[in-house]
Amino acid sequence: ETGVTQTPRHLVMGMTNKKSLKCEQHLGHNAMYWYKQSAKKPLELMFVYSLEERVENNSVPSRFSPECPNSSHLFLHLHTLQPEDSALYLCASSRSSNTGELFFGEGSRLTVL
Amino acid sequence: GQSLEQPSEVTAVEGAIVQINCTYQTSGFYGLSWYQQHDGGAPTFLSYNGLDGLEETGRFSSFLSRSDSYGYLLLQELQMKDSASYFCAVKNQAGTALIFGKGTTLSVSS
Repeated sequence: ETGVTQTPRHLVMGMTNKKSLKCEQHLGHNAMYWYKQSAKKPLELMFVYSLEERVENNSVPSRFSPECPNSSHLFLHLHTLQPEDSALYLCASSRSSNTGELFFGEGSRLTVL
Repeated sequence: GQSLEQPSEVTAVEGAIVQINCTYQTSGFYGLSWYQQHDGGAPTFLSYNGLDGLEETGRFSSFLSRSDSYGYLLLQELQMKDSASYFCAVKNQAGTALIFGKGTTLSVSS
């Protein structure tokens, strides 16, 4: 138990569906992140939020839309995805955005048909 | 740009010592972190080196040489449960998040 909870753990969706991934952290942290982990690729940074403000958008396609309503919750809204978007999506949090210690959730395994 | 290089696979036997190397290229350096990830699990933080030298935490140690843009993770008294992927990571150019290497898969056999 890392203090970062992601739901759903598994998601299968068609290319025309709209779904959302949810992340909640119970650690009182101020920064939250989305990473994508595909087979044989490193963890790829997608978005960074610090104190609910987006501070990094790592050239992510607009079919991925993040939302951070407060410092404890982070969402990733998905629409019109492609099969190559199938991956493990990992949420993480940290005390601040300039620390080297991140706390990761277990991830949401996404399959796009 | 930024890049990190680490071996893709390492194998060892129980009780042995293994060293996983990491070389990095980055325009601004804020330190080197190490993470462990078991199959199907979340990456977990192992160690951080902000300055040159060795940091020891139990069976795991991490070393950094900023002049060589190089670090390593040393795992001693290996156990089967140490079989996992190990990632080194550095801050991105903006200093706002971590960029990870491709990971080293460690297989420990009896």
